[in-house]
Amino acid sequence: QLQLQESGPGLVKPSETLSLTCTVSGGSISSSSGYSWGWIRQPPGKGLEWIGRIYESGTTNYNPSLKSRVTMSVGTSKKQTSLNLSSVTAADTAVYYCARHRREGTGVLGPLRHHYYYYLYVWGKGTTVTVSS
Amino acid sequence: SSELTQDPAVSVALGQTVRITCQGDSLRDYFASWYQQKPRQAPVLVMYGKNNRPSGIPDRFSGSSSGNTASLTITGAQAEDEADYYCNSRDSSGNYVFGTGTKVTVL
Repeated sequence: QLQLQESGPGLVKPSETLSLTCTVSGGSISSSSGYSWGWIRQPPGKGLEWIGRIYESGTTNYNPSLKSRVTMSVGTSKKQTSLNLSSVTAADTAVYYCARHRREGTGVLGPLRHHYYYYLYVWGKGTTVTVSS
Repeated sequence: SSELTQDPAVSVALGQTVRITCQGDSLRDYFASWYQQKPRQAPVLVMYGKNNRPSGIPDRFSGSSSGNTASLTITGAQAEDEADYYCNSRDSSGNYVFGTGTKVTVL
């Protein structure tokens, strides 16, 4: 069964760069264009915030509110993805999750919403990152 | 940027039915997906598309959508359904957004 595991420093100093890695284990992953890697975070006591995602081709989408500080990459083995978030502040303290995104074709014509399903079907357990001096 | 709005909290008596709603403009073009998150655990996908349950999700969970509103219904709620629920949707830019979250309490 596919599993994702986030790893990286649990403590980062303000103004520095947060760097995390997500590694796949326990199964094979598809390299089709319908799949991508994503990152999500959750500040203490708050809701989920989508950070961005990257296709194995290298194409990315980033949350507009974080775009200027986010960089994602995919490892050469295609079994790892990395997140870099620069110039961190205390507001970046959160649990960070990686998740496998999927676009599933429905084969149905008609309105746009009927063409594809989009969802995050596998999540890592998350890693806590605290920004503090 | 797109936004998805959910009621902050709902409660349901054990065995009764509860509906959680999610509103946003992106839902006119894309179906929502729904995630259940229990304390100190990662979110779990419970619904996606028109009304699709991943393997292992009980059939008391169902989904629907109309216009700019998506709904997740739990029919015959169980104690183990007590959790936070988040909707999620893609937008026209290829970005994703989560709803504000709904805390479901089973009485």
